[in-house]
Amino acid sequence: EVQLLESGGDLVQPGGSLRLSCAASGFTFSNYAMSWVRQAPGKGLEWVTSISGSADATYYADSVRGRFTISRDNSKNTLSLQLNSLSADDTAVYYCARHPGIIAGKWFDPWGQGTLVTVSS
Amino acid sequence: EIVLTQSPATLSLSPGERATLSCRASQSVSSYLAWYQQKPGQAPRLLIYEASNRASGIPARFSGSGSGTDFTLTISSLEPEDFAVYYCQQRSLWPLTFGGGTKVDIK
Repeated sequence: EVQLLESGGDLVQPGGSLRLSCAASGFTFSNYAMSWVRQAPGKGLEWVTSISGSADATYYADSVRGRFTISRDNSKNTLSLQLNSLSADDTAVYYCARHPGIIAGKWFDPWGQGTLVTVSS
Repeated sequence: EIVLTQSPATLSLSPGERATLSCRASQSVSSYLAWYQQKPGQAPRLLIYEASNRASGIPARFSGSGSGTDFTLTISSLEPEDFAVYYCQQRSLWPLTFGGGTKVDIK
């Protein structure tokens, strides 16, 4: 069974940093591109960033470029998201999600259960 | 960026009724459109990809149609478990974008 399990969400002060992780199981991790998608409380879905299966291509939303960094460790089946210079606008549930192939930029299936990041003083 | 506009924002229907949800793109996305269902407190679930292909395990009452800028998700006969929020998503151009969602609630 394909499973994605996020962790690392927390309460952080404005300007602070956080690192999220997504542990993948049930599939050959390196064969699939991955993404982070976030959802602010009571709001819709916002794509954040994607990485190809071989980690040779990354993509970022303008709202996070230069502050967030996506990475993956295919030997540990783990996807990561480093969040820096956080503001209240970054408060959201962060989901990791798999793409259907090694190249990023298609649909998302499946999704993890999400981890909550709250930015507040 | 490609803007996806979903309508209506809320659809109030009874079980057994037909639901028709719309997603309109600000420019052509060809057939590169997906639909997701999200229930309260849960992660989104893929329903349809490439405009009209049902994802694995999705019941046949869900169908997608359209191409270019106008797309439709149809639920032929609503089951109690179908009351949820539905999002469309395009993959034609970066950045990947989602529509604002349509909530299907019980009338």
